[in-house]
Amino acid sequence: AQKITQTQPGMFVQEKEAVTLDCTYDTSDPSYGLFWYKQPSSGEMIFLIYQGSYDQQNATEGRYSLNFQKARKSANLVISASQLGDSAMYFCAIHSYNFNKFYFGSGTKLNVKP
Amino acid sequence: EAQVTQNPRYLITVTGKKLTVTCSQNMNHEYMSWYRQDPGLGLRQIYYSMNVEVTDKGDVPEGYKVSRKEKRNFPLILESPSPNQTSLYFCASSFQVHYEQYFGPGTRLTVT
Repeated sequence: AQKITQTQPGMFVQEKEAVTLDCTYDTSDPSYGLFWYKQPSSGEMIFLIYQGSYDQQNATEGRYSLNFQKARKSANLVISASQLGDSAMYFCAIHSYNFNKFYFGSGTKLNVKP
Repeated sequence: EAQVTQNPRYLITVTGKKLTVTCSQNMNHEYMSWYRQDPGLGLRQIYYSMNVEVTDKGDVPEGYKVSRKEKRNFPLILESPSPNQTSLYFCASSFQVHYEQYFGPGTRLTVT
């Protein structure tokens, strides 16, 4: 079975600063994918970034980057230059290539202070 | 516009009254999935479908049914809803199973 752990229920960051949201995972499958989603207070789920287990380089998408440390089984999301609009819940998720299920973490609520 | 639609968006019902939440996508995606979101638990997968007529259980399938007769539609059926099924439900689809998922707007269900 797969498992995702997000240990930070809530975080604050000052506008324009960088912030790291933690995500650790557990899987016995060597082939898997890791995803981050954002859920604003309006409720929709927005895809941010993806990292495959065999990708050599950390994924980046604009201000989002994924700090992938395979040996430590961690996939932390780094948001650079935080904006007020980044205030939201953030979910980490894992999918195993040998199973077709997705597992999500419990989320981290990020508040960006002006 | 590429989207996943769900109906209804809000529903209050009583224990035991069968209900269906519809989900439709217009992106010709193969993979579709249902999740429930509860405070402190994140999203948990209920059922998923790899393609037409191919469905399988997720992590929390008890009390739910699904069907996939057409590629675009993936309804969630609660044959005898109970109060512990009060939750926020999301439908999602993706091109294939290991691609990013596109989520519907959510259905907030209350069972009294």
